[in-house]
Order: sequence, then structure tokens, then C-alpha cells
Amino acid sequence: AQSVTQLGSHVSVSEGALVLLRCNYSSSVPPYLFWYVQYPNQGLQLLLKYTSAATLVKGINGFEAEFKKSETSFHLTKPSAHMSDAAEYFCAVSFLSQGNLIFGKGTKLSVKP
Amino acid sequence: EAGVAQSPRYKIIEKRQSVAFWCNPISGHATLYWYQQILGQGPKLLIQFQNNGVVDDSQLPKDRFSAERLKGVDSTLKIQPAKLEDSAVYLCASSPKPGQGAQKNIQYFGAGTRLSVL
Repeated sequence: AQSVTQLGSHVSVSEGALVLLRCNYSSSVPPYLFWYVQYPNQGLQLLLKYTSAATLVKGINGFEAEFKKSETSFHLTKPSAHMSDAAEYFCAVSFLSQGNLIFGKGTKLSVKP
Repeated sequence: EAGVAQSPRYKIIEKRQSVAFWCNPISGHATLYWYQQILGQGPKLLIQFQNNGVVDDSQLPKDRFSAERLKGVDSTLKIQPAKLEDSAVYLCASSPKPGQGAQKNIQYFGAGTRLSVL
């Protein structure tokens, strides 16, 4: 069965430090991959998506992610954390162009001043 | 462009009562999804509609949950009777019709309805 694993339910970084949120998936077919962000009491907002084009995907707010097929990974990075990046981040996969999303459990990012 | 609208934002009920949630997707979006997000977990799909037809309801607890999308636009999700374990945020999402370019794989989410069952 397809699944998504996010390593670390909580990540804490200092302002200005590198952000690295990990996501691994299991699938026998090439997936579509997504990162969503959720701020408190809000819905999910798309950060970026991979749909079999370039393996390095740039998203909003300075985030990017790299698809590595050999490692079945799609880790999210940002070179320099900002206080406004504090939120919960969800990695998700889809296996059909209009299929439902299968989400990881989420990683809560805290940014210390 | 208006986003996905959901109401109410919050609802508190007692177990065995019934409750209904409403969702209005982005105009023109053919596909509508309902997800359940339990505290500390990622969202889980309950049901997917394509226009007014059900595409996937395999994870919908049909003994107590029901959903409809009359006329292929807005949708309601109902729980009757509610159980304690139904306490969660219920998210509605929509996506464009297949074939509408790069947007077709993206789901747009509403703010959700937070349900507390006491």
C-alpha cells in the first residue's frame, strides 16, 4: 500500500538557520508529490508540487524540495528560517492525476528568535 | 478568486447527536473532496466527488456518515449519530476539471470545520 512517512513530528530551528523537513514515500509507480503548510486554525496551503518534470521544485516563501527516486524521498528545505515559517507542514502523495491525497502525519516547525 | 468556503467554523455537540457541514468549492472546480483530520494526524480522505457523482467513498463510515453534492456545486457532509472519536477538523477541498493544465493536480483547501463531540 502507498504511504508517506515524515521523520520528526516536531522540528525546532533558530531564525536564519537551515530548515530541513524530511519526507519518504512508498510506491510502486511514480507519484505526484506535494508539500502543504497549515497555520493555526487555517486550511492547508500548497507550498510546492512535483509532477514528473524537474526534480528540484521551487515553491512559495523560499521553500524548495528535491525528488530523489533512488531514495524515495521528497525533503523540503529553506536556506534561512523566518519567524513566519512557524507552522505545521504536511507531505502528501497522489497516484492519479485527480486522485485523493495521502498525507503524512505532519511536522510542526518552531522557529526560535 | 474566492477560495473554498466552509461553515460552520466550529461545532460542539454531544454524542449521539447529528451534525452537518457545508462546503462551497471554488467556482468551476469539478472535483470536491472531504477529509477528516484528527488531532496530531494528517488529513484522511472520506469521500471524493466528480461533479455530482461519487468517485471514492471507500473510507467513509457509511453507517453514520453521509455526503451529497447536488447539482455538482456545493456539498454537505452529515454525521448521524456522532461518536466521541468523530472529534476532528473536517476539511473540504476542490480541484479543477481534469485537463485544465498544470492546475489539475492541485487541491485547494477550505479553513475547515472543527467538531468537538462531548
